[in-house]
Amino acid sequence: GAGVSQSPRYKVAKRGQDVALRCDPISGHVSLFWYQQALGQGPEFLTYFQNEAQLDKSGLPSDRFFAERPEGSVSTLKIQRTQQEDSAVYLCASSLGTWTGAGNTEAFFGQGTRLTVV
Amino acid sequence: AQSVAQPEDQVNVAEGNPLTVKCTYSVSGNPYLFWYVQYPNRGLQFLLKYITGDNLVKGSYGFEAEFNKSQTSFHLKKPSALVSDSALYFCAVRDPSNDYKLSFGAGTTVTVRA
Repeated sequence: GAGVSQSPRYKVAKRGQDVALRCDPISGHVSLFWYQQALGQGPEFLTYFQNEAQLDKSGLPSDRFFAERPEGSVSTLKIQRTQQEDSAVYLCASSLGTWTGAGNTEAFFGQGTRLTVV
Repeated sequence: AQSVAQPEDQVNVAEGNPLTVKCTYSVSGNPYLFWYVQYPNRGLQFLLKYITGDNLVKGSYGFEAEFNKSQTSFHLKKPSALVSDSALYFCAVRDPSNDYKLSFGAGTTVTVRA
């Protein structure tokens, strides 16, 4: 597609429910990122994939959060046993190149999934 | 660790007036700096970036930003604001030694009144 696509756009989950958020990056983009944006805040880094390899998951807030990109394209962010503090917009971004310090590749963001845990 | 500060939560200007959105950064090496804009119910849209070279960077929709190393600033500017520029603006920095992580500021809401 023309841009990064995320689904669903909105998700309401009951506390304790598991959720799965999907990201379709721009075709051919090697790098994929997940960010969490709490209300009134800037996005915070969660995790980074280079193709199918998850190179950094240091931003995942707890072991309830899990991300995968098994074939190096579509990615899923899964949150188990959701809590109210998980309520946020989850943004996916992709970029064409790998991050080798060249630094000149900008990331393209999807519209995000707004998760509300009630 | 890298960080970004956007000292103003809100900026209000009249249409046709100059618009400035402030950003200061902290990073150990030479920074890679970015501006993104977020419209309601839409994702972050890339506006411009500074990697190296000229301190004045021109981007989309008539925006530009000036990199000032001595003041560790990267302020976003537009000479003549439009009502359609009303949105949430984020400054972000990458530390080349840290490669891929973007660190965002908290954002500045810009309102341009007709």
